[in-house]
Amino acid sequence: DSGVTQTPKHLITATGQRVTLRCSPRSGDLSVYWYQQSLDQGLQFLIQYYNGEERAKGNILERFSAQQFPDLHSELNLSSLELGDSALYFCASSLTDRGLAGQDTQYFGPGTRLTVL
Amino acid sequence: AQKVTQAQTEISVVEKEDVTLDCVYETRDTTYYLFWYKQPPSGELVFLIRRNSFDEQNEISGRYSWNFQKSTSSFNFTITASQVVDSAVYFCALSESRFNKFYFGSGTKLNVKP
Repeated sequence: DSGVTQTPKHLITATGQRVTLRCSPRSGDLSVYWYQQSLDQGLQFLIQYYNGEERAKGNILERFSAQQFPDLHSELNLSSLELGDSALYFCASSLTDRGLAGQDTQYFGPGTRLTVL
Repeated sequence: AQKVTQAQTEISVVEKEDVTLDCVYETRDTTYYLFWYKQPPSGELVFLIRRNSFDEQNEISGRYSWNFQKSTSSFNFTITASQVVDSAVYFCALSESRFNKFYFGSGTKLNVKP
């Protein structure tokens, strides 16, 4: 158990809908990272927040947004969902903001499996 | 070009066999980090190891060992005396410190049969 929690575990919704995925980092970690794992694209970095502020952006669609709250939990919002958004969405956390640079280790949560029908 | 190449898509071995998972990376950064993560059938990503580009010493942790060779840009992972519980998808990853970028390979699925 990494100490990173994600809810819900599974989510099934329809095209055009909007969903919110939630992540709580490990105790003491200030950075949160979101990743998407799909069959065709593999594991891709979406976005990073550090202590409430956006730090880095990867291949995140404009229909997707995220935020990190004062208690450090984070939410990933996915809107106007398409079939291709079906994927496993991971949240990771690290103590510092240097997880992408490798100077800190990212610990991953169990993921949220999103199915868009 | 792929930053991290895991050429072995799937490997099957019988329990107690040794198995090596290959990872080749590409970077122009002089300071970088390499990682291995395990994704068992339950789906979570489990951190296994982090190495920096200045430390080429091989590492051993129980049945797991890692061989880092800068000359061939490789960071291979060996499981000795494999067990059924080792069945998982294993991902190699690269961090480029200067560019603040993190890349996963496509993963190698390891099947260990009893």
